[in-house]
Amino acid sequence: ILNVEQSPQSLHVQEGDSTNFTCSFPSSNFYALHWYRWETAKSPEALFVMTLNGDEKKKGRISATLNTKEGYSYLYIKGSQPEDSATYLCAPIYGGATNKLIFGTGTLLAVQP
Amino acid sequence: DAGVTQSPTHLIKTRGQQVTLRCSPKSGHDTVSWYQQALGQGPQFIFQYYEEEERQRGNFPDRFSGHQFPNYSSELNVNALLLGDSALYLCASSWGTGVAEKLFFGSGTQLSVL
Repeated sequence: ILNVEQSPQSLHVQEGDSTNFTCSFPSSNFYALHWYRWETAKSPEALFVMTLNGDEKKKGRISATLNTKEGYSYLYIKGSQPEDSATYLCAPIYGGATNKLIFGTGTLLAVQP
Repeated sequence: DAGVTQSPTHLIKTRGQQVTLRCSPKSGHDTVSWYQQALGQGPQFIFQYYEEEERQRGNFPDRFSGHQFPNYSSELNVNALLLGDSALYLCASSWGTGVAEKLFFGSGTQLSVL
């Protein structure tokens, strides 16, 4: 059973704070890492897909990095806004045959105005 | 452009019953994956359908079965329901099964087994 760990489990920040989360995963037979944002009462929405060691992706105030050799990824949010409040899920893919995602339990972010 | 749609949104069943959940993929997508999210956990992969065949399966018993139709829509069937099957069932679609293909999720079906 593959163990994907996300930390912290939850995070409360003030509007304007910058924050970051960690996703740790087994590096053996790794093919790709997906990040999803899941707002309450909505559907999970893809943020990034990364495949190469050292990959960096950016979307507005959100960015992510990937280290495939040591098996971790960081997600950064600069200047958090209340609309960033959501659960952030990472999901690596192994084996390369399909896009079968192995999700972590997520980091719940609450941004207070 | 319609996104992924799932029906029903909520369902209540009793132990031993059977249930069918339905999913229509995003327009242009040909691959459907099903996930189960139990309370306090991340979504867990059940299986994936592509070209009307089950391509990969997660660690779920044979009570969980599925089907994909020629129009790419899909059904998830669960037989002999157990209390532990209570969960949010998510359907996700993609264009193909490549590792870099993002998944587009529906809003889910909340199943309660009493």
